[in-house]
Amino acid sequence: DAGVTQSPTHLIKTRGQQVTLRCSPKSGHDTVSWYQQALGQGPQFIFQYYEEEERQRGNFPDRFSGHQFPNYSSELNVNALLLGDSALYLCASSFNLLNTEAFFGQGTRLTVV
Amino acid sequence: AQSVTQLGSHVSVSEGALVLLRCNYSSSVPPYLFWYVQYPNQGLQLLLKYTSAATLVKGINGFEAEFKKSETSFHLTKPSAHMSDAAEYFCAVSDAGVNSDKLIFGPGTRLQVFP
Repeated sequence: DAGVTQSPTHLIKTRGQQVTLRCSPKSGHDTVSWYQQALGQGPQFIFQYYEEEERQRGNFPDRFSGHQFPNYSSELNVNALLLGDSALYLCASSFNLLNTEAFFGQGTRLTVV
Repeated sequence: AQSVTQLGSHVSVSEGALVLLRCNYSSSVPPYLFWYVQYPNQGLQLLLKYTSAATLVKGINGFEAEFKKSETSFHLTKPSAHMSDAAEYFCAVSDAGVNSDKLIFGPGTRLQVFP
């Protein structure tokens, strides 16, 4: 079992650009949540996808959007990148919305210059 | 609103010494509580969780935590620290009434273990 896989592992983008991050959930999982972890801080919830719909959203602007595909994989898109978007982006998967059984991926380190 | 505080952004112990990492939460409803560990350049690994069963929860790698409702605390302990325990530790809370609720994380505590 490969667990939760995220790609790419590292990414450097310029201010104003757009970025897409990808997540494949653990086998058997159908729910994907995304978190942003700024340097030296705890992760903050961005949004959660289940049955290809956004089910919950944290306090993030509309520049952050996502998608879930029929195979349960997910994408996180960020438009008009700001320097403050530099962070580790973590994907967590679970089954049937049960966050008590969430597994996290290794994360994607995004640097905005 | 739910929140988590972790007293001490850095904790240093000697190998073999007791590890105590503090976590206090704020929640208007019964909570689920979690401890996660993060090694450098890696994601989060679940150490243990409290989901309204036994108040003393045992996790992986010899860690345990006790849920104390009266103190709104969920401190993490390990009797004897090992060098491999050096990492960042995060306490998190979610709403027990909603299994799908998002996780609210504390700011983290960096544990250093000296030989």
